[in-house]
Amino acid sequence: AQSVTQPDIHITVSEGASLELRCNYSYGATPYLFWYVQSPGQGLQLLLKYFSGDTLVQGIKGFEAEFKRSQSSFNLRKPSVHWSDAAEYFCAVGAEYGGATNKLIFGTGTLLAVQP
Amino acid sequence: NAGVMQNPRHLVRRRGQEARLRCSPMKGHSHVYWYRQLPEEGLKFMVYLQKENIIDESGMPKERFSAEFPKEGPSILRIQQVVRGDSAAYFCASSPQGLAQETQYFGPGTRLLVL
Repeated sequence: AQSVTQPDIHITVSEGASLELRCNYSYGATPYLFWYVQSPGQGLQLLLKYFSGDTLVQGIKGFEAEFKRSQSSFNLRKPSVHWSDAAEYFCAVGAEYGGATNKLIFGTGTLLAVQP
Repeated sequence: NAGVMQNPRHLVRRRGQEARLRCSPMKGHSHVYWYRQLPEEGLKFMVYLQKENIIDESGMPKERFSAEFPKEGPSILRIQQVVRGDSAAYFCASSPQGLAQETQYFGPGTRLLVL
């Protein structure tokens, strides 16, 4: 069965520092991978997604993620964090049903705090 | 270009009452997904619907929960005889054709509190 693991529940970084959020997945075929961000009391906004092709994916707000099949990972990175990046980040994998991928399986999330 | 709309944003119910959560997908989207987020947890898939059809309800509790997406109007997630364990945030997402390559766009959620 498909699953997603986000090992870090909370991370605190200083503003301007680099960031890496970890995501590992379990999936039998080439996965469809997503990173979403959720601000307090809000819905989810897509940061980036990977389906195929270049394993380094660029997203919005200066985020990028790298798909590593050998490690079953899809870690999210940002070279310099801004205070407005404080939020909860969810990694997700697209799961198949009847031959069509149409539901997302989410990790438990990583809560990011940014220190001034 | 309005995004996915959900209402109400907050809903308070007493145990045993019914809760009705509404979701209007983005314009042009005919595929709707419902997810539930329990406190301190990630989102869990509940049900996937197209217009007038339930495609995948593998994440729905067997009792008290139902969903529909009629030909006209919003998708409805209905919870009968609510219990305290139903307290959660319920998110709706939509996509144009339900394809793997498509992004699912999420609404702001309905936060249900059962007293």
